[in-house]
Amino acid sequence: DVKVTQSSRYLVKRTGEKVFLECVQDMDHENMFWYRQDPGLGLRLIYFSYDVKMKEKGDIPEGYSVSREKKERFSLILESASTNQTSMYLCASSFDRGTYNEQFFGPGTRLTVL
Amino acid sequence: GENVEQHPSTLSVQEGDSAVIKCTYSDSASNYFPWYKQELGKGPQLIIDIRSNVGEKKDQRIAVTLNKTAKHFSLHITETQPEDSAVYFCAPGGVFGQGTTLQVKP
Repeated sequence: DVKVTQSSRYLVKRTGEKVFLECVQDMDHENMFWYRQDPGLGLRLIYFSYDVKMKEKGDIPEGYSVSREKKERFSLILESASTNQTSMYLCASSFDRGTYNEQFFGPGTRLTVL
Repeated sequence: GENVEQHPSTLSVQEGDSAVIKCTYSDSASNYFPWYKQELGKGPQLIIDIRSNVGEKKDQRIAVTLNKTAKHFSLHITETQPEDSAVYFCAPGGVFGQGTTLQVKP
């Protein structure tokens, strides 16, 4: 069974803090993704990575950065958290077979920025 | 980029009825058409998908139909049960729709 784990289910931070969200997958997937989920907006792609040390911006990368030093781990960084980054953050991974494939999601991290 | 619209945004049915959710997309090059189900407190999980060389696929009570000419595909759930209550997302070419909240009333 594919397992995608996220470091925290709930997180409360203060405005201006640097925030790290960690994601680990155990299926040797090449691709990893970070989304944020807000009511009525669905899942919006922040960043994705198709290989170690590689990253691509998604639709809403502003205010975020990512790091992928190892194949199984993909980190999302909020350099200076703001209240409008309060959201549910979802990590996902997938095989890369030259086309889109099923994404496997973690349980999500609900981040509140005060 | 891909423009995805999902309808309806909410759907309420009686247990045993059918439910249909439609997804329209703009990128004619899309060739992968999945549907995900998200239960409360969990991440989305794939329930059915279809590739562009197939028009329909069924898996027990769920089915997906694809109309590439019209650029839309639909999720069909028959004999709905309370455990089908969840948020459903289409994701053509990896771009997610806004989600449909399905409520199945016992």
